[in-house]
Amino acid sequence: TQLLEQSPQFLSIQEGENLTVYCNSSSVFSSLQWYRQEPGEGPVLLVTVVTGGEVKKLKRLTFQFGDARKDSSLHITAAQPGDTGLYLCAGVRNTGKLIFGQGTTLQVKP
Amino acid sequence: DTAVSQTPKYLVTQMGNDKSIKCEQNLGHDTMYWYKQDSKKFLKIMFSYNNKELIINETVPNRFSPKSPDKAHLNLHINSLELGDSAVYFCASTATATSGNTIYFGEGSWLTVV
Repeated sequence: TQLLEQSPQFLSIQEGENLTVYCNSSSVFSSLQWYRQEPGEGPVLLVTVVTGGEVKKLKRLTFQFGDARKDSSLHITAAQPGDTGLYLCAGVRNTGKLIFGQGTTLQVKP
Repeated sequence: DTAVSQTPKYLVTQMGNDKSIKCEQNLGHDTMYWYKQDSKKFLKIMFSYNNKELIINETVPNRFSPKSPDKAHLNLHINSLELGDSAVYFCASTATATSGNTIYFGEGSWLTVV
């Protein structure tokens, strides 16, 4: 049973386009994290959202935590080739245990 | 300096062999993890140690045995390797295993069983 459904799983867009990645669950998490993983490397934390309804911005990336703390979204504005990579959402339990989504592979073509 | 380092990065071995992957963190963290990432990029926790003590042990075959000689090291030993063990294994660490703490991942160890 996949606790965190991430969509889409694959996304190929042109440079300059906008995109949104979704992360949905029927479970409540104490917080939710977004990671980016490049080929040959481990995931790197982008952001942690803690409060229901919270919105955080990281340059062209906007992260939102759902009001009920069950879902989240990542929106990228004017995507660039350097944004290419695997994006992973992870729900965080009170114990600190991470439950990962399946990941979204993003390709931004120049 | 690499915060979380694991060796080897690549490992190709035959079925039935026993192999180990080593991990070290120089961040002074109390908690370390082993994660497995399959061919579909799905990342799943295997084990978690806090100050050398096992705190999370997911449904992992007994052939996998973690060992933590001190809180800066968490090694993974795998007995009788099977084809299905082929994956990328990530070591990770965090200050304390509480919600919201940043988890730092190593670069991964690519295990291929032939």
